[in-house]
Amino acid sequence: KAGVTQTPRYLIKTRGQQVTLSCSPISGHRSVSWYQQTPGQGLQFLFEYFSETQRNKGNFPGRFSGRQFSNSRSEMNVSTLELGDSALYLCASSGTRSTDTQYFGPGTRLTVL
Amino acid sequence: AQSVSQHNHHVILSEAASLELGCNYSYGGTVNLFWYVQYPGQHLQLLLKYFSGDPLVKGIKGFEAEFIKSKFSFNLRKPSVQWSDTAEYFCAVNAPNDYKLSFGAGTTVTVRA
Repeated sequence: KAGVTQTPRYLIKTRGQQVTLSCSPISGHRSVSWYQQTPGQGLQFLFEYFSETQRNKGNFPGRFSGRQFSNSRSEMNVSTLELGDSALYLCASSGTRSTDTQYFGPGTRLTVL
Repeated sequence: AQSVSQHNHHVILSEAASLELGCNYSYGGTVNLFWYVQYPGQHLQLLLKYFSGDPLVKGIKGFEAEFIKSKFSFNLRKPSVQWSDTAEYFCAVNAPNDYKLSFGAGTTVTVRA
């Protein structure tokens, strides 16, 4: 079956702008998690959604937000972009148990100028 | 909160050499443990995982890992590496019923032909 897809794959924005990233999970997966990957901080958890509800949130400022739709597709939004938001944003989907494998998408590379 | 430490930042090996990557976690309770790999230009994919049972876990591509509860460790091994094992390797943990993965900083493995 098709894997996790993320759009767009690349984005260039300027400071102060806002951005929306999209993630389509594997069919049948109801949990979607978002991670930020940077060379300095590594992989950091942003938030996780299950059946349209945010169940967990990482230590990121309120400028980072997300949502999940009834078809399990998810979006994350970053408002008032800062240079430090430049990163690879990864989406992962999984089944209903915490032991289930999280399948990662290719990521969206965000560059903030 | 869980934390994960990977001892080696960069490992350089020759083909046919054995590989062992260290991973230690700090968490007082039961955890689920994962090793992910990121090949150049590809997305994160699962190598293996442990959540219960036999502490020696076998994964894809000849990798295995051993969970030693008393040492809070989950080290990854491969008896004989190939050039195609060049990649970045991440250890990750989550608590039962928690989808948030806490990742280590990653180990870059370079295999020389």
